[in-house]
Amino acid sequence: GAVVSQHPSRVICKSGTSVKIECRSLDFQATTMFWYRQFPKQSLMLMATSNEGSKATYEQGVEKDKFLINHASLTLSTLTVTSAHPEDSSFYICSAIGGGLSYEQYFGPGTRLTVT
Amino acid sequence: KQEVTQIPAALSVPEGENLVLNCSFTDSAIYNLQWFRQDPGKGLTSLLLIQSSQREQTSGRLNASLDKSSGRSTLYIAASQPGDSATYLCAVRGSNFGNEKLTFGTGTRLTIIP
Repeated sequence: GAVVSQHPSRVICKSGTSVKIECRSLDFQATTMFWYRQFPKQSLMLMATSNEGSKATYEQGVEKDKFLINHASLTLSTLTVTSAHPEDSSFYICSAIGGGLSYEQYFGPGTRLTVT
Repeated sequence: KQEVTQIPAALSVPEGENLVLNCSFTDSAIYNLQWFRQDPGKGLTSLLLIQSSQREQTSGRLNASLDKSSGRSTLYIAASQPGDSATYLCAVRGSNFGNEKLTFGTGTRLTIIP
């Protein structure tokens, strides 16, 4: 199957700083990318959807000025958590869909963010 | 609004047994359905994708079925192994414009006892 990578896998930062997470589709062009967050023992919560070259569409309740998403190319999307606070500590997972009609969605390995 | 439910929430079975995980959804207007597994602290691995026009898909020891009209899918795992222990998630993609996102089920935590 198609491969989606994320970097870093783990990050610890101080409260008030910004953190950038990269998501790459390694062997396909991702027409649409998604960012999710997951709290312990809970299901995934969609944060935003982005198409290459377009502004991201954020889910209700997700602050677009706090979670900046840039889908700069067909293989790269970044999520920047600005002015991070301890409550932003979570597991962030990106996902991507390639071209074609199957709409099979592939997920990255996730990034564990801890804000101290 | 689409709702996806998975039963049971947790399941423990001895190694070697066959097992079935269930998934139900409320809106039958789906484009496709995917089964994923998630290991602790990891992302999701896609196991099987069933398009709305299909009845089942098979991959190795896994077989997923889809009955769109009744809003049900099952994931059958044959000859279970300890490595199958994980949380299994089903997710449906809506077919209506503006509802194309994946909606996830609540998950089934599977433990295979050696």
